[in-house]
This record gives sequence, structure tokens and C-alpha cells, in this order.
Amino acid sequence: GAGVSQSPSNKVTEKGKDVELRCDPISGHTALYWYRQRLGQGLEFLIYFQGNSAPDKSGLPSDRFSAERTGESVSTLTIQRTQQEDSAVYLCASSRVAGVETQYFGPGTRLLVL
Amino acid sequence: DAKTTQPPSMDCAEGRAANLPCNHSTISGNEYVYWYRQIHSQGPQYIIHGLKNNETNEMASLIITEDRKSSTLILPHATLRDTAVYYCIVRVKAGNMLTFGGGTRLMVKP
Repeated sequence: GAGVSQSPSNKVTEKGKDVELRCDPISGHTALYWYRQRLGQGLEFLIYFQGNSAPDKSGLPSDRFSAERTGESVSTLTIQRTQQEDSAVYLCASSRVAGVETQYFGPGTRLLVL
Repeated sequence: DAKTTQPPSMDCAEGRAANLPCNHSTISGNEYVYWYRQIHSQGPQYIIHGLKNNETNEMASLIITEDRKSSTLILPHATLRDTAVYYCIVRVKAGNMLTFGGGTRLMVKP
């Protein structure tokens, strides 16, 4: 595709509900990254995939956060039992190969937990 | 990854060159200088990167000093749409995560 796409673009949910965020990377990119950006702050690394495996899950804030990727394409970030502090923009990026190549970002999903 | 220092904000007149400085005095030999920008409410956008030679692409030029302790991103003819926060990042090219500091908020004015 032309770029990284993410859906939904905006999500409002109630505290305690589960949410799923989707990322479609650039076609042919084998590496996929998830970041979080709170209002007015820098990027917080969450997890990355090389192919369908996730070698580094160290950035996931808690066990309420999980991510998967299938077919070396789409990835889903799931937040269970959402809390108000989960409110942020969740950004996805992809690159041709993990670490070596430039990362290209999607527009993000703005999550608001009420 | 080495730490970078950027001015928090800069103004530039539309049509003029915008020169954004970045200090990275602790950069090591295998670390690259990357520039991204983030326009309000959008995801970060890659601009350019380099190791030690100056680089130019359709968006900008990157000038790296000979000792590699600082660099300058040049937008040759700034437009209003270039108003954004510009991030200078120093990283080993094989590093997996990106870490953004405070960046420089560039305001292009008519």
C-alpha cells in the first residue's frame, strides 16, 4: 500500500472495556512497531514484530496489553480492561527489516478512556 | 543511543530557509543522525538521515559537522505546511526502537 494505515482513527471507550487497534503496514515491510504517545509527550516504545514473532515485548506497560501479527501483515494491539491512563495516541510504524531500515509511521489511533 | 539537544522553538518566514540545529556531542562512530517531524495530530514523518556525509533529498538537506558532534536540518524554502515539531534522533541503525526527545517546534509565518 501507499503507507501505513491504522484503524479506527479515533476510539472512545468506557473504563474496564477491551479495545482492539489495527495496523496495516506498508506492503512488503517485514517489521512492524507499536508506540504510544501521551498528550504533549514523546514516543513510548511498546513492542515490535519481525515477521510474525515479537522478539522484544519489554515496552508493554502491563499484562493488560498484548499484540499479535499474522501473515507478516496486519497487527492488532489489544488493551484489556482499559484504564483512564491508557488514553493516548497509539502509533504504528513499519520498516522493510527490523532495526536496519527507516521506520514509516501511520496516522495513529486516538484512544480516550472515560 | 546518544542524547540530542535542540532549541525548543524557532520561527521562520514563509519562503525562507529554515535551519534547525541539533547537538549530539556524545555520538559514537556507528550512530546515525535521523530527523523526523510531527505535524499536529499526525504520526511522525521521516525526513532524512545520515552518518557523516551531508545528505539531500526532496524534502530537506542534512549538514553534519566534520566531528559529527552537531548537525543542521535545512528546509530550503519553508512553507506554512512545514509548521511542525522536528525531532533529531541519534541511533545505531540496527536499533529497533525510536526515542524522541523534546524536539524543536518550528513555526513558519506568512
